[in-house]
Amino acid sequence: GAGVSQTPSNKVTEKGKYVELRCDPISGHTALYWYRQSLGQGPEFLIYFQGTGAADDSGLPNDRFFAVRPEGSVSTLKIQRTERGDSAVYLCASSSGTSGGARGTDTQYFGPGTRLTVL
Amino acid sequence: GNSVTQMEGPVTLSEEAFLTINCTYTATGYPSLFWYVQYPGEGLQLLLKATKADDKGSNKGFEATYRKETTSFHLEKGSVQVSDSAVYFCALGTNAGKSTFGDGTTLTVKP
Repeated sequence: GAGVSQTPSNKVTEKGKYVELRCDPISGHTALYWYRQSLGQGPEFLIYFQGTGAADDSGLPNDRFFAVRPEGSVSTLKIQRTERGDSAVYLCASSSGTSGGARGTDTQYFGPGTRLTVL
Repeated sequence: GNSVTQMEGPVTLSEEAFLTINCTYTATGYPSLFWYVQYPGEGLQLLLKATKADDKGSNKGFEATYRKETTSFHLEKGSVQVSDSAVYFCALGTNAGKSTFGDGTTLTVKP
């Protein structure tokens, strides 16, 4: 079956520009997560959705970052006024949410990531 | 806050050697613990997990036991293969849904 997909796979932009990164979760998965991974580090939590709502956005670094999931499926991570320090691989994951919602016991299925480079 | 500390790499072993990658954690409450693996050119995928103390997760010959008394979840394999070469991440998840990952350990297995 289809896994989690992310587009684009690579994005190069200039400092100050706006970017959107898209995530298509596994069909039927109610929970969706965004992470950021810098070179040599593990994924860093940004935000997770349960359905259409952001259940926890405590990992978003500042107000330049925003994410939406309007219909409870596809999600878009939006970054305004990009900075060089935003360069990283942005990972999306989804889980079934069957353990009473987005619980820590749920297995997360990861997409291949979007590599963002800000020049 | 929650944190995960992994044994620093890289780790290089000969084929059929015994593998241990250490992982310790700090968390409030009762987290679930995971090992994820990232093979070259591929995305992160779950290797094994344990959801409560003393549980043992196992998959593909790898094992890890959830030790609450030592707050550890060390990954072991009795005989590694070249195909096990990858980056391994220890992670914890809480009922709040948020996961915390270690920085990863790169394993290279030589024939």
